[in-house]
Amino acid sequence: DTEVTQTPKHLVMGMTNKKSLKCEQHMGHRAMYWYKQKAKKPPELMFVYSYEKLSINESVPSRFSPECPNSSLLNLHLHALQPEDSALYLCASSQVRGLTYEQYFGPGTRLTVT
Amino acid sequence: AQSVTQLGSHVSVSEGALVLLRCNYSSSVPPYLFWYVQYPNQGLQLLLKYTSAATLVKGINGFEAEFKKSETSFHLTKPSAHMSDAAEYFCAVSDRSDYKLSFGAGTTVTVRA
Repeated sequence: DTEVTQTPKHLVMGMTNKKSLKCEQHMGHRAMYWYKQKAKKPPELMFVYSYEKLSINESVPSRFSPECPNSSLLNLHLHALQPEDSALYLCASSQVRGLTYEQYFGPGTRLTVT
Repeated sequence: AQSVTQLGSHVSVSEGALVLLRCNYSSSVPPYLFWYVQYPNQGLQLLLKYTSAATLVKGINGFEAEFKKSETSFHLTKPSAHMSDAAEYFCAVSDRSDYKLSFGAGTTVTVRA
């Protein structure tokens, strides 16, 4: 099974709402990632978790709060977002070391902030 | 820092024609290199990867890429385009010491009937 699942598929939220994005994988990967992708642009890395610990934060605003409750789950908590945060949010996972280093991506959550 | 350059933001080919997407990387040591495809409203799917084994890499859907160290290139080809190949293609590079992928700007492929 090489699948990364993400829920919800679509999300519309107001600027005062609190919502969460969820990502799950069962490939035994110990590295998990959040990316933000705007239309017609490549994905931009936001966060990396390695062995359930935050290892990279690409200077993301605090209104985005990641959480890795266990080795299979990754959440992204959203609060007080701005309209410019509207984008496709992609989750990915990979092995931490070795030749099987490729990242597997989920289908994404299309977020619209109104 | 690693980086990749994709030459050509848009490529249009006829069905049955050769598909050639260009990618050049900047790195002082051979990195890991990847090609991903993204269909509309979907996530990224790995087409193929180079991790220092064979320089000619075969991937899914009939795609292949050749790693040329002397040219710092990793171009993607498919001998005969199919309508289903219409998508966005990203070349990506990864340093062997961390987890970060650096993506190229992407190339949009359209296939003419």
